[in-house]
Amino acid sequence: GAVVSQHPSRVICKSGTSVKIECRSLDFQATTMFWYRQFPKQSLMLMATSNEGSKATYEQGVEKDKFLINHASLTLSTLTVTSAHPEDSSFYICSAPPTRGGDTQYFGPGTRLTVL
Amino acid sequence: KQEVTQIPAALSVPEGENLVLNCSFTDSAIYNLQWFRQDPGKGLTSLLLIQSSQREQTSGRLNASLDKSSGRSTLYIAASQPGDSATYLCAVYTGGFKTIFGAGTRLFVKA
Repeated sequence: GAVVSQHPSRVICKSGTSVKIECRSLDFQATTMFWYRQFPKQSLMLMATSNEGSKATYEQGVEKDKFLINHASLTLSTLTVTSAHPEDSSFYICSAPPTRGGDTQYFGPGTRLTVL
Repeated sequence: KQEVTQIPAALSVPEGENLVLNCSFTDSAIYNLQWFRQDPGKGLTSLLLIQSSQREQTSGRLNASLDKSSGRSTLYIAASQPGDSATYLCAVYTGGFKTIFGAGTRLFVKA
């Protein structure tokens, strides 16, 4: 099946620094990718939709200036958490539906962010 | 607005027991419904995917059903094992390629 990778799988950073998380579709193209966040013992919540070649769209309550999304190619989307704070510590997962169509999404393995 | 609810939130059963996890959704206009497993601190493992036109899917000891008209799905686990202990997430795939997740059911199977 299709594969979506994320890098890094785990990152620990100091408060105030910025962290970049990559999401790649390895064997298919994706004009759209999605970023989710999961707090401990809670479900995944959609943060934003990443669109190749255009601006991302953010869900209500998600700060676009804090969570910068860049979808520079058909196989790569990046999420940058700027000026990270401890409350940003979470599990971030991306997903992508293949551009060729289909009715499912493929999920990355997730990135565990810990902000000290 | 689509909402997905999972009941129970947590479940503890002895090994060997058959069990049912429930998922309900408010808008029947879905493309498919998927059940995932998530181990602590890990990502998602897809278990079963049911298309909107299907009624059920089976994989090994797992059976998932879908009643789109009533907005319900169940995940049946036969002969549970300690290795089945995890959080089980139900997710519906809606128009606009959005996936809406339930809060999950935390399952603990006692040896």
